[in-house]
Amino acid sequence: DAGVTQSPTHLIKTRGQQVTLRCSPKSGHDTVSWYQQALGQGPQFIFQYYEEEERQRGNFPDRFSGHQFPNYSSELNVNALLLGDSALYLCASGDSISGNTIYFGEGSWLTVV
Amino acid sequence: AQSVAQPEDQVNVAEGNPLTVKCTYSVSGNPYLFWYVQYPNRGLQFLLKYITGDNLVKGSYGFEAEFNKSQTSFHLKKPSALVSDSALYFCAVRDLPDAGKSTFGDGTTLTVKP
Repeated sequence: DAGVTQSPTHLIKTRGQQVTLRCSPKSGHDTVSWYQQALGQGPQFIFQYYEEEERQRGNFPDRFSGHQFPNYSSELNVNALLLGDSALYLCASGDSISGNTIYFGEGSWLTVV
Repeated sequence: AQSVAQPEDQVNVAEGNPLTVKCTYSVSGNPYLFWYVQYPNRGLQFLLKYITGDNLVKGSYGFEAEFNKSQTSFHLKKPSALVSDSALYFCAVRDLPDAGKSTFGDGTTLTVKP
């Protein structure tokens, strides 16, 4: 049973560039949430996708956007990168019908220079 | 609004001794509470949850947690600590049962010494 998978695992970008991170949910899951974890902090909720729509959003600017595909996989896009966007980006998936537990992937480490 | 506080940045225990990692929460409705563990340079692994029912919940790797509604706490416990339990532990809360926004604490680093 494949868990939540994320790609890429590490990447380095320059200020002002754009980045796309990808996530495949755990088998049987249909919701995907994205979190940002800065060094020394807990994960911060960015947004949740369900039925290919953004359902909830945290306190993040519009530079952060996402997408969910018919196969439930998801992308996180960040435009106009800032140094402060450097963090571990975590994807979590859940089951909208029976589950209240979300399961996390290993994350994508983004460094903005 | 929902929030979580983990009052201790660091907890140190000797192997074989009991451990407690503290968590208090604030939520407007019924709380849905979770504990996760994070090893260095890894994602978060689910340990246990409280949704409803018994105040003492049991989870993975011998961990358990006690829900106390009057004190709004959800402390993580283990009767006998192992060196391999050394990691970063996060408490999280939601006010809805579905897999929506979870609010996490800043984490507690547990160090178990041989």
